[in-house]
Amino acid sequence: KNQVEQSPQSLIILEGKNCTLQCNYTVSPFSNLRWYKQDTGRGPVSLTIMTFSENTKSNGRYTATLDADTKQSSLHITASQLSDSASYICVVRGEYGNKLVFGAGTILRVKS
Amino acid sequence: EAGVVQSPRYKIIEKKQPVAFWCNPISGHNTLYWYRQNLGQGPELLIRYENEEAVDDSQLPKDRFSAERLKGVDSTLKIQPAELGDSAVYLCASSPGTFQETQYFGPGTRLLVL
Repeated sequence: KNQVEQSPQSLIILEGKNCTLQCNYTVSPFSNLRWYKQDTGRGPVSLTIMTFSENTKSNGRYTATLDADTKQSSLHITASQLSDSASYICVVRGEYGNKLVFGAGTILRVKS
Repeated sequence: EAGVVQSPRYKIIEKKQPVAFWCNPISGHNTLYWYRQNLGQGPELLIRYENEEAVDDSQLPKDRFSAERLKGVDSTLKIQPAELGDSAVYLCASSPGTFQETQYFGPGTRLLVL
């Protein structure tokens, strides 16, 4: 069964600190993996997308990594800001069809 | 560029009542998606349209849910009758073409069934 599991479920960090969110998936064959940020009361917004051949992708203070062999991805946030408080969702697309498998998300809260 | 527009933003109804949600995708986007997102979960696809054709409705509970996308632009998702378990956020998303990957999400409609 195609699954995407994220950890931790929630995280609280101090402003200015770094953090890393994890995503493990079983989707096979794999096409790409995307990290979304979902602010409270808003729809998800795409942060990064990586294909099989890419192992790192940055978007400002967000850096995503991908290990296609172990089927793991991480999202690293550097020098966190209060506005980073959101849910971060890992989404994996299989090679066939247009279906996406969504993780449950990690809720991040950045405190001052 | 205007984003995906959804209305209403919030809806509270009693069980067994009907409810409808409306979505206006980004102009020019051929593919439209309806998702349901339960609290603390990722979105789950209900139905996907390519233009006016529903190409994937395998996860849509057809006994009570219906959707339409007349003229291949706006879309409406309806629940009749609503049940307590339908309480969730209903997200609409659109993408430019059939195999385009970036989906742009609307703010969602938060439904509470009492």
